[in-house]
Amino acid sequence: AQSVTQLGSHVSVSEGALVLLRCNYSSSVPPYLFWYVQYPNQGLQLLLKYTSAATLVKGINGFEAEFKKSETSFHLTKPSAHMSDAAEYFCAVSGDTGRRALTFGSGTRLQVQP
Amino acid sequence: GAGVSQTPSNKVTEKGKYVELRCDPISGHTALYWYRQSLGQGPEFLIYFQGTGAADDSGLPNDRFFAVRPEGSVSTLKIQRTERGDSAVYLCASSPQVGGPEETQYFGPGTRLLVL
Repeated sequence: AQSVTQLGSHVSVSEGALVLLRCNYSSSVPPYLFWYVQYPNQGLQLLLKYTSAATLVKGINGFEAEFKKSETSFHLTKPSAHMSDAAEYFCAVSGDTGRRALTFGSGTRLQVQP
Repeated sequence: GAGVSQTPSNKVTEKGKYVELRCDPISGHTALYWYRQSLGQGPEFLIYFQGTGAADDSGLPNDRFFAVRPEGSVSTLKIQRTERGDSAVYLCASSPQVGGPEETQYFGPGTRLLVL
């Protein structure tokens, strides 16, 4: 069975500082990995996804994530935080045999301080 | 183009009542998913449709939950004899392609269900 662990339910950074949101996964098959962002009272928006083409994946809004198989990690980073980045971020995995659905982590709420 | 839409956006009901939640996927998307998101948690899978048929309903919590997609487009999630524990945001997602690296799920804004 596949699973996702997001370390840190809340992360607070200053505007302009590095953003690092952690995600570790477990999967019995090579995974597809996703990061979604959720703004208040809105649906999930895809930030980026890993599908084995390249280990460093660039997404929207300046975010990127690196797939590290040896560490079973897919951490999300952004060099310089902006106030508009404040939201809930979810890491998700899919790819288990016969399983199309996404398995999500419990989310990390990012706060950006002025 | 239009994204995934869900109606109603909010639904308040009383314990024991029946509710229906509707999802309009992106036009042409063959796959449709339902998820449930409880407060402070990530979304949890409920059921997935490929066309008109439910390809995987392993996430439905019990037989009070049922979903249909009769014409392969709009889907309705039906909850009988609602319980307070059913209170959550119900999310719908659609995808143009099933499986493989090209599949991306696009989410609607959700229906917030409150059972009193």
